[in-house]
Amino acid sequence: DTGVSQNPRHKITKRGQNVTFRCDPISEHNRLYWYRQTLGQGPEFLTYFQNEAQLEKSRLLSDRFSAERPKGSFSTLEIQRTEQGDSAMYLCASSLARYPDTQYFGPGTRLTVL
Amino acid sequence: AQSVTQPDIHITVSEGASLELRCNYSYGATPYLFWYVQSPGQGLQLLLKYFSGDTLVQGIKGFEAEFKRSQSSFNLRKPSVHWSDAAEYFCAVASYSNDYKLSFGAGTTVTVRA
Repeated sequence: DTGVSQNPRHKITKRGQNVTFRCDPISEHNRLYWYRQTLGQGPEFLTYFQNEAQLEKSRLLSDRFSAERPKGSFSTLEIQRTEQGDSAMYLCASSLARYPDTQYFGPGTRLTVL
Repeated sequence: AQSVTQPDIHITVSEGASLELRCNYSYGATPYLFWYVQSPGQGLQLLLKYFSGDTLVQGIKGFEAEFKRSQSSFNLRKPSVHWSDAAEYFCAVASYSNDYKLSFGAGTTVTVRA
């Protein structure tokens, strides 16, 4: 069990640029979740996948955000035309599609938009 | 909508003293309850969880938590705190009606003094 991995760990970008983050879940896990965490707050749900299907997107996920999980394995989260308000920690978690189940988190990607 | 309240933003405790972190949830359905810990700049590590059965659950690092349905609480405790327990602690709730997505509290930061 290698755990959930995320890349990059840190990303600094200028406002208006596009960024893409990657998440590799635990290999046998069918569910993959994205959360966003701002300073002093708990993580907030963004979106999740069951295999390659995206099942739900939070209203927090504006049109500038898109997520994919093309083969039901790794996932990418892209933010287009970044804004300073996008600065946050982006966390990925995975779980088995077994209810209820535990979500295991990756180390996160810290995004700073200048 | 489900919600999680962690009333204490920050707790300072002496090394060797006991620790209790409070968590209250608002939920109509059967809740599945979690405590996660986060060190600075890191992802979330699962401490313990409650799904059913014995309402006193044991976790890693000497932590335990008690589910009290009548009080809608799931408080975390540790009898003797170590300096390495300094971190941020998050309580989270999931349920069938929310397709097991996690709702987090705002977190409690624990400082350990020598």
